[in-house]
Amino acid sequence: GAVVSQHPSWVICKSGTSVKIECRSLDFQATTMFWYRQFPKQSLMLMATSNEGSKATYEQGVEKDKFLINHASLTLSTLTVTSAHPEDSSFYICSVQKKNNEQFFGPGTRLTVL
Amino acid sequence: AQKITQTQPGMFVQEKEAVTLDCTYDTSDQSYGLFWYKQPSSGEMIFLIYQGSYDEQNATEGRYSLNFQKARKSANLVISASQLGDSAMYFCAMRGATGANSKLTFGKGITLSVRP
Repeated sequence: GAVVSQHPSWVICKSGTSVKIECRSLDFQATTMFWYRQFPKQSLMLMATSNEGSKATYEQGVEKDKFLINHASLTLSTLTVTSAHPEDSSFYICSVQKKNNEQFFGPGTRLTVL
Repeated sequence: AQKITQTQPGMFVQEKEAVTLDCTYDTSDQSYGLFWYKQPSSGEMIFLIYQGSYDEQNATEGRYSLNFQKARKSANLVISASQLGDSAMYFCAMRGATGANSKLTFGKGITLSVRP
């Protein structure tokens, strides 16, 4: 498998502030990481594909200026929610993909914007 | 495009009994993979089982087995000897081989509750 960590596991912030979420692949060099968003009792929705050393690929309807993704190394991708608002409150999950197409998920980050 | 359908709103099962969670899919790809994930209340997505579209035998992993019926485009998860710890959300997902289909697509999930 692969061990994936996320930090922080939960965060509460005021409206208008920016929040950075880290996703680390602890035992595997990941050229590709994915960021998902999940609302309560709903499915995971892919937000963007993070590629090491290049720009992220965003899904339709996801604002790239709102959700900044940086994949600066083979073990770290960050998602920054800029100027967060209450509607951005959600569960954010990252995952890493290994060459054989297995995908492993981080434990998730619960964001609450007041 | 590809689509995963999970229509069961919620399932209940008695401890130690078996339960089947339904999943149907649609894709234009000839080659694809089907996955089941478990998400307990903690939120972590736990990989359970994988079935490749060209695998002739149904996948099994311990108490989990996947009833793959390719012609009917169904990939139901069977959990045998249910345990209280099996109570969670279960997501069926698929990944195709080409373009946009190569990303993991999830169904909306099924809530399973195991009764003592």
